[in-house]
Amino acid sequence: EIVLTQSPGTLSLSPGERATLSCRASQSISRSYLAWYQQKPGQAPRLLIFGAVSRATGIPDRFSGSGSGTDFTLTISRLEPEDFAVYYCQQYGSSPPYTFGQGTKLEIK
Amino acid sequence: QVQLLQSGAEMRKPGASVKVSCKASGYPFTGYEIHWVRQAPGQRLEWMGWINPNNGKTKYSQKFQGRVTMAVDSSISTVYMDLSRLTSDDTATYYCARDQRAVWFDPWGQGTLVTVSS
Repeated sequence: EIVLTQSPGTLSLSPGERATLSCRASQSISRSYLAWYQQKPGQAPRLLIFGAVSRATGIPDRFSGSGSGTDFTLTISRLEPEDFAVYYCQQYGSSPPYTFGQGTKLEIK
Repeated sequence: QVQLLQSGAEMRKPGASVKVSCKASGYPFTGYEIHWVRQAPGQRLEWMGWINPNNGKTKYSQKFQGRVTMAVDSSISTVYMDLSRLTSDDTATYYCARDQRAVWFDPWGQGTLVTVSS
């Protein structure tokens, strides 16, 4: 099983600042198989980034993804009030085919 | 627009079963697999399995094999997830989500809270 470890667990920033969230895999994965989701309280996860770098439909360009191998990053260039939420990375692999990170909570400082 | 609408919250006693439904709209129902993912309190998201609405083929996570059954009723664009022999560890919000290229999930249903308590 590929384990995804996200850091930090909690990130405290102010609106307008830049956020950098990390997702590290226990073994190398294809960039094509890495996605990021945003989840707000009481809501379902929403797809932000797929294929490590591609924004999903309707996602603002302040969100960007990067990385390869075992290290992936989600960057939010200038935080808006609506960006404060929990973020999860997810990979496609084998047995089980889909696993998620434990999440990073982005909170207002 | 593409939408997945799930059934409402459920409460069950240990040992019982629960069935959650997920009704799709806004796209060709049989063209995309539907996954089930759960989120227990304080735990990471956990993939349970998928069903192909076109032919009813399923693939389950080994963790849930033998306890989970997924089914489809194409006449009403609805998939179902049945989980049996419930324990308190099964208390979670259960989500359905549409498959995208067999790699990621978009969109997700609104979630169904299942509470298992004696």
